[in-house]
Amino acid sequence: GAVVSQHPSRVICKSGTSVKIECRSLDFQATTMFWYRQFPKQSLMLMATSNEGSKATYEQGVEKDKFLINHASLTLSTLTVTSAHPEDSSFYICSARGLYPLQETQYFGPGTRLLVL
Amino acid sequence: DAKTTQPNSMESNEEEPVHLPCNHSTISGTDYIHWYRQLPSQGPEYVIHGLTSNVNNRMASLAIAEDRKSSTLILHRATLRDAAVYYCIPLMGGTSYGKLTFGQGTILTVHP
Repeated sequence: GAVVSQHPSRVICKSGTSVKIECRSLDFQATTMFWYRQFPKQSLMLMATSNEGSKATYEQGVEKDKFLINHASLTLSTLTVTSAHPEDSSFYICSARGLYPLQETQYFGPGTRLLVL
Repeated sequence: DAKTTQPNSMESNEEEPVHLPCNHSTISGTDYIHWYRQLPSQGPEYVIHGLTSNVNNRMASLAIAEDRKSSTLILHRATLRDAAVYYCIPLMGGTSYGKLTFGQGTILTVHP
């Protein structure tokens, strides 16, 4: 149980285009979802926290107009990288936290590797 | 947030026990100690968490010092699949569960 999926697993896009990444909790309702970014050889950096039906809360230094997050249902959150540039190339990982008894841990998706040319 | 200190890397042989230490001297009384690991090119996965008492599950054991300023993740018999980056993360418990903030973690190498 407590499985989180991400789609796509990898994406290549041209500079200036937008890319949408989906994060789904497959067998539980995710009251809170998180988006992380990880550059090569570095640790995960939290980008934003989203609660279902509410606006996302972004970490300091993360541009909310560039990284659009939508958490429209208890099983789906999306991250849209708008006007992507090569420096946005990274490994994007989502995680989800559910209701009791799943609220004490976060369940992570497999990640989406984005390459912007 | 409580700061943590972990060794950059550790090595083990297959089927031997591994003890991964973590110092978290500034941990607050309501912080649980969570351990996650990240296998290469994958998202992190939950390993174990605890507050004060030692904890066991099918993946590992967690030994928490009496003063809670340090903890040790114990893998009883390391396998090649346990090669990963291990993160020790204090996280506030209670009704507001906080958010996981990842440090650099410990890179565990398991030799056949």
